[in-house]
Amino acid sequence: KQEVTQIPAALSVPEGENLVLNCSFTDSAIYNLQWFRQDPGKGLTSLLLIQSSQREQTSGRLNASLDKSSGRSTLYIAASQPGDSATYLCAVRGGQNFVFGPGTRLSVLP
Amino acid sequence: GAVVSQHPSRVICKSGTSVKIECRSLDFQATTMFWYRQFPKQSLMLMATSNEGSKATYEQGVEKDKFLINHASLTLSTLTVTSAHPEDSSFYICSARDQNKLFFGSGTQLSVL
Repeated sequence: KQEVTQIPAALSVPEGENLVLNCSFTDSAIYNLQWFRQDPGKGLTSLLLIQSSQREQTSGRLNASLDKSSGRSTLYIAASQPGDSATYLCAVRGGQNFVFGPGTRLSVLP
Repeated sequence: GAVVSQHPSRVICKSGTSVKIECRSLDFQATTMFWYRQFPKQSLMLMATSNEGSKATYEQGVEKDKFLINHASLTLSTLTVTSAHPEDSSFYICSARDQNKLFFGSGTQLSVL
């Protein structure tokens, strides 16, 4: 059974810092991995999708990498801003189902 | 990107009543939709996978008669919480897959008094 963990559980940084969020999964037989952002009381917004054959994806200040063999993905956020404050979740897809990590709660202080 | 619309965003009901939540894919067809439940400061818990034209697949521990799912068309899935009780109060979110990506509705906050 696939298990997904995320480290750290919570993170507080001053504005402007570069930061890394980590996602680990136990079964490397995945189809893809997706990073999401969730604001309090809201649904999830897709940030980046990495196919199993890819190593990384970039969108603006975000860069996500995938090392399938070691069961790890990282989300790199450059020059963090207060507007980046949210919970970040990763989800891995194996077959039809997606398994979510518990999330990292990020606070970027002005 | 694809848009998933979920209504209502918030509902307050009395114990014993039933509540229906709708999830629509606005600009794509979704043969499969997913329903999740989320408790405060916790991650999403998959409740069931909704398949168009067939019965939903429920996760272990989720009561089928309590959480009725209907996926009658390629753009609409509904979740009905029957005879709701205070312990059913939670944030419910739907999602649909477009090609390889998951897209989420904005969620429904259910409060049962």
